[in-house]
Amino acid sequence: KAGVTQTPRYLIKTRGQQVTLSCSPISGHRSVSWYQQTPGQGLQFLFEYFSETQRNKGNFPGRFSGRQFSNSRSEMNVSTLELGDSALYLCASSWGQGGYGYTFGSGTRLTVV
Amino acid sequence: AQSVTQLGSHVSVSEGALVLLRCNYSSSVPPYLFWYVQYPNQGLQLLLKYTSAATLVKGINGFEAEFKKSETSFHLTKPSAHMSDAAEYFCAVSDQGSSGDKLTFGTGTRLAVRP
Repeated sequence: KAGVTQTPRYLIKTRGQQVTLSCSPISGHRSVSWYQQTPGQGLQFLFEYFSETQRNKGNFPGRFSGRQFSNSRSEMNVSTLELGDSALYLCASSWGQGGYGYTFGSGTRLTVV
Repeated sequence: AQSVTQLGSHVSVSEGALVLLRCNYSSSVPPYLFWYVQYPNQGLQLLLKYTSAATLVKGINGFEAEFKKSETSFHLTKPSAHMSDAAEYFCAVSDQGSSGDKLTFGTGTRLAVRP
C-alpha cells in the first residue's frame, strides 16, 4: 500500500518567487493536512482539506494557500517567498476526523535564498 | 485551544534502559492523543494513539503510553531502549470541532541512546 507521497523532495527558491508543493494521499483517504516544521517554531498547522473543502486554517499569512482536487490530491502554494519560509513542509492524510490518526509523507524541504 | 507540553527537549538513556518521555496536554473536551517519531530527514511516523478506548495503549516498536485523565498526561515508555530508538518524538493532541480537524504538537523530545 503506497504511503503519502510528496513532491518534490527538495526545493531551492529565491526570495520573492512562488512555489507549489504537491501531496498525494493514501488511497481512500479524504482528509489532507499540511504542516510547517522549523527549528524555531516546531510543527505548525497550515490547513486541512476534506473532500475539496478547506475545513480549518492555521495562523499563517495569506501568502500560504492550498487546494484539494477531486481525487484527494492536494497542493499548497506559497507566494512572494521570504527567507523565513525555509522549512520542511509535511503533508498528512487520514480517513477522516480525529481518532484515525494521520499518516505523514516524507516532506518537502524548501530553502529560500 | 488545546495544547501539549513535552518536558525535556533532550533525553539520554543507555541501551537496555527504560525510556520515559513525558507529555501533558490541555483540553476542555476528551482528546485524541498521539505519539509520533521522526528520524533525520524523514516525515513523522505514528507510534500509537489514544482514542478513548483502553487507557493503556500499545504501539509499534515496543512503545506504549498510558492516558491519565486526572494528571492530563500521556507519557510514552519503552522497557528497554535500542540504539535504533534514537530519534525525535512528538506528542500531539487532536483538536476536533465542526471547523475541521488538526493536530497540535508539542515541541518534541530528542532521544539519544548510549551504547
